[in-house]
Amino acid sequence: DIQMTQSPSSLSASVGDRVTITCRASQSIRNYLNWYQQKPGKAPNLLIYAASTLQSGVPSRFSGSGSGTDFTLTISSLQPEDFATYSCQQSFSTPWTFGQGTKVEIK
Amino acid sequence: QVTLKEPGPVLVKPTETLTLTCTVSGFSLSHSRMGMSWIRQPPGKALEWLAHIFSNGEKSYSTSLKSRLTISKDTSKSQVVLTMTNMDPVDSATFYCVRTHKPASGTSYFDYWGQGTLVTVSS
Repeated sequence: DIQMTQSPSSLSASVGDRVTITCRASQSIRNYLNWYQQKPGKAPNLLIYAASTLQSGVPSRFSGSGSGTDFTLTISSLQPEDFATYSCQQSFSTPWTFGQGTKVEIK
Repeated sequence: QVTLKEPGPVLVKPTETLTLTCTVSGFSLSHSRMGMSWIRQPPGKALEWLAHIFSNGEKSYSTSLKSRLTISKDTSKSQVVLTMTNMDPVDSATFYCVRTHKPASGTSYFDYWGQGTLVTVSS
C-alpha cells in the first residue's frame, strides 16, 4: 500500500496568513493526488484534484502543487471559514490511501 | 443535483455483520465515469478508504479489511451496499458513501459525499 504522510499534523495561524501543508507519498504517484477540507461534524469536501486543479466553486486562494512524491497545499490568505482539517489522498493505485490530516487552528 | 443518502445512526453488537445501503440520485450508477466508494472515519481520526465499485462492476478493497468487506450495487434501484462482517468496537466510526469521478485520463477523485452514518459497535 502507498503511505501518505502529511506535515504538520496541526498548525496555528491568523486570518490573512499564508499557510502551507505538505503531503509526501511513499512512492511516486505522478500527479494522482487530491486534497480535501473537512469541518467538524461534516463530510469532507474536495478542494483540489490532480495535484493542482481547483474543483469548481473552490476559492482561488487555495492552490496545489507537486508531482512524484512531494505535494503542497497552499492557502494564500487564510480566511475565518478556512479553519478546518485538510487531508491528502492518492488515487494512483488501489488501495487508495489518505494522509493523517492537518488541523488548521486559529492563533 | 447529485445526492447520496445514507441511513441514520446504527448500533451493532460485536461479531455481528454491518450492512449499509446508500441511495443515490442525480446520476446513474452505470455511468462509465462514475464509481462508488465507502470511506470511514473513527472519531478524531483520519479518513480510511474501504471499498470501491466501478461502473462495470469491478471491485476493489482495503488490503487490511478485504476479508471482511463486500461492496455491491443495484443499478436499477440506484443503491450501493457495503457489508462488513465480524464487527468489533474498534470499527466504530462514521461511514461515508462517496461518489468517485474517474476522468478519461488522470486521477480519480471523490467529488460527492453522503452525510455519513455513525456506526457504533457495542454490546
